[in-house]
Amino acid sequence: GAGVSQSPSNKVTEKGKDVELRCDPISGHTALYWYRQSLGQGLEFLIYFQGNSAPDKSGLPSDRFSAERTGGSVSTLTIQRTQQEDSAVYLCASSLRGAPNNNSPLHFGNGTRLTVT
Amino acid sequence: GESVGLHLPTLSVQEGDNSIINCAYSNSASDYFIWYKQESGKGPQFIIDIRSNMDKRQGQRVTVLLNKTVKHLSLQIAATQPGDSAVYFCAGPNTGGFKTIFGAGTRLFVKA
Repeated sequence: GAGVSQSPSNKVTEKGKDVELRCDPISGHTALYWYRQSLGQGLEFLIYFQGNSAPDKSGLPSDRFSAERTGGSVSTLTIQRTQQEDSAVYLCASSLRGAPNNNSPLHFGNGTRLTVT
Repeated sequence: GESVGLHLPTLSVQEGDNSIINCAYSNSASDYFIWYKQESGKGPQFIIDIRSNMDKRQGQRVTVLLNKTVKHLSLQIAATQPGDSAVYFCAGPNTGGFKTIFGAGTRLFVKA
């Protein structure tokens, strides 16, 4: 079956512009995550959606970052007024079950590589 | 704060040898751990998981060992192959199990 799909795969934008990154999770997965990965680094948690519950936004680095998940499926991560330090790979993942007792593995997309010039 | 971390940022092994990648965690209530493999340009891929009621789990050429006493887990890869070259992450839930925390990753180099 289809895995997690992210688009675009690459995005180059000018400093100060807004960008939208899209994630299509695996059908039937109730939990959706966004992570950020800088070059050669680990995964930094950004935001988590679980069903119809309020999202956990505790990892968003600033109020320029926001995310939505419509209809419990597709998610969009928006970065407003991009800065050069926003350059990274943004990874989306979904899992069959979420909190609590999140005992199911995450399935990742291949990410969107964002470059802010 | 809570952490899940690997001991070594890089590991170099000879093709055919066994590889051992280690990971420590801080949350003694963690009940589920996962190992992921990330190849260049791709997202992390699930390798194997283990629940806290087990101390060992085997897959194809991979074994995960969990020592809850010292809060340590390891990933063992048997007969390491060039295709195993990647970054390996251990991961586990935070308190309450609401999100998955990743370690910094170990880059495995396989020498031919």
